[in-house]
Amino acid sequence: DGGITQSPKYLFRKEGQNVTLSCEQNLNHDAMYWYRQDPGQGLRLIYYSQIVNDFQKGDIAEGYSVSREKKESFPLTVTSAQKNPTAFYLCASRGTGVTGELFFGEGSRLTVL
Amino acid sequence: GNSVTQMEGPVTLSEEAFLTINCTYTATGYPSLFWYVQYPGEGLQLLLKATKADDKGSNKGFEATYRKETTSFHLEKGSVQVSDSAVYFCALGANGANSKLTFGKGITLSVRP
Repeated sequence: DGGITQSPKYLFRKEGQNVTLSCEQNLNHDAMYWYRQDPGQGLRLIYYSQIVNDFQKGDIAEGYSVSREKKESFPLTVTSAQKNPTAFYLCASRGTGVTGELFFGEGSRLTVL
Repeated sequence: GNSVTQMEGPVTLSEEAFLTINCTYTATGYPSLFWYVQYPGEGLQLLLKATKADDKGSNKGFEATYRKETTSFHLEKGSVQVSDSAVYFCALGANGANSKLTFGKGITLSVRP
């Protein structure tokens, strides 16, 4: 089935450790996105990539890094510089249609102890 | 810039009640409008969309009409079910492959039997 796969679904880490969240899509979409979701704050854009080997900062990029070496993969690293990393992280992709909607993965819940 | 404002929540209704969730937006040009739904512990799924003024999106008994004159895209359902309990997000996206989606803060709907 076509879709977006995020892993792991749940992740626990100690403070000061870097963490990498995986996002893979087989929809042949060019654009991919990472959002952070916190209670009462909706979705905030961290990074996005419109094409392989290129990505842009979103609204809350500080403390995060990404790479886009392959079309189907867009991993997110939560670094130790991110002051409040505990959150639900959502990866999405978008087709090239003019009014294309986002397709989301099931999310990764990161808890920093 | 673009922005989306959703009514404050949470909303609690009895089964078979009528549902309205308000959404207004600010945007330049003529964006597409979307409603996404998020069930507990999952990612977001597209519920419906409208791509131009006066379009009505509909799915699973939910409807929303793109009102340019009032910059609104209110979500309605005539008779809610317990299975409709979820978080609902309004979003807008400028047309074009390079655009991003802007989300509202989301509203939690609980439907009791």
